[in-house]
Amino acid sequence: EADIYQTPRYLVIGTGKKITLECSQTMGHDKMYWYQQDPGMELHLIHYSYGVNSTEKGDLSSESTVSRIRTEHFPLTLESARPSHTSQYLCASSDGASGNEQFFGPGTRLTVL
Amino acid sequence: KNEVEQSPQNLTAQEGEFITINCSYSVGISALHWLQQHPGGGIVSLFMLSSGKKKHGRLIATINIQEKHSSLHITASHPRDSAVYICAVRSNYQLIWGAGTKLIIKP
Repeated sequence: EADIYQTPRYLVIGTGKKITLECSQTMGHDKMYWYQQDPGMELHLIHYSYGVNSTEKGDLSSESTVSRIRTEHFPLTLESARPSHTSQYLCASSDGASGNEQFFGPGTRLTVL
Repeated sequence: KNEVEQSPQNLTAQEGEFITINCSYSVGISALHWLQQHPGGGIVSLFMLSSGKKKHGRLIATINIQEKHSSLHITASHPRDSAVYICAVRSNYQLIWGAGTKLIIKP
């Protein structure tokens, strides 16, 4: 079983709040990813990191930011949440040794009122 | 046209039926992934393959590189197999995702 964790699992907040979605993995993977998924839709890559102090924007433009200060930790922050940010956010990690197979966290379902 | 197309979009079957979900892609790939997403949202990687065929329990995945096509088969389907099955291809170090196939297995 993959050891990748996300907190919180569910979050309902008001517009304008600052939030941080946590993602941690204990597998020592260098690569980590954040995906956004609306109900019934495909996943969209919003951020990725190939190692400590390395972060890149993904295919889908996002107002969120990420940081990678430690290998195991890849938090995603929204400075001022809006209803348009309501979605599911999935974190994943991978390493080259396993052929870059991605292991997924359970996801955070965010609702912004 | 999407670079990764899955069919069918929705599939409802009776318990015990043999299930086939298809994935076609139009880009060069280094690997293809099949993943399962349950209603709660969690995603589990089922297979990663770059050629041939893999089997895990009642699940079988095949890929034909020349035809740019992969299939996921479920034998002796069970209601607990109900989920969204997603095909994703690795191309130029990025993953390109299909829209998923929603499978419902009725008892």
